[in-house]
Amino acid sequence: AQSVAQPEDQVNVAEGNPLTVKCTYSVSGNPYLFWYVQYPNRGLQFLLKYITGDNLVKGSYGFEAEFNKSQTSFHLKKPSALVSDSALYFCAVRDTGGGNKLTFGTGTQLKVEL
Amino acid sequence: KAGVTQTPRYLIKTRGQQVTLSCSPISGHRSVSWYQQTPGQGLQFLFEYFSETQRNKGNFPGRFSGRQFSNSRSEMNVSTLELGDSALYLCASSLGADVDEQFFGPGTRLTVL
Repeated sequence: AQSVAQPEDQVNVAEGNPLTVKCTYSVSGNPYLFWYVQYPNRGLQFLLKYITGDNLVKGSYGFEAEFNKSQTSFHLKKPSALVSDSALYFCAVRDTGGGNKLTFGTGTQLKVEL
Repeated sequence: KAGVTQTPRYLIKTRGQQVTLSCSPISGHRSVSWYQQTPGQGLQFLFEYFSETQRNKGNFPGRFSGRQFSNSRSEMNVSTLELGDSALYLCASSLGADVDEQFFGPGTRLTVL
């Protein structure tokens, strides 16, 4: 069965500094990976996905993610953090059995401070 | 284009009752998935419907069921509610292809007393 791990429950970063939210995955076959963000009392918003191709994926709101097959990682990055980026971030992997079933990580709370 | 809508947004029920939650996907989307979000278990997949057929099912008891209508709207039903069913229930829609991103609704907050 596929799984994703987000090793950090919380990440703190100063506004203007680069941020990284970590994710590692375990799948058999080619991984289809996603990042979502959740603001308080809201549903999840899609940020970006990796299906195939370039290892650096660019997404919404200036976020990007780097796919690393040898390290089975898919870390989310942003060159310059904003206070408004503070939210809960989820990494997810699509089920290899077909369909749209996603297995989510436990989430990482990002806090960007002035 | 309107996003995914879920009704009701908040619901309070007592143990033993049943509840029906509704989800209207983005126009043109044929796949609807349901997830349960709790502080303890995180986000867990319930089921997915595509063109009125259940395509995937998560590891939940039979008290949890769903269906999809010909207009792609979906409902999920939970019977004989338990305290542990208190959660945020999220609906997500996508065009249907396996690699499409899913768009989530705001969720229905269910509290079981």
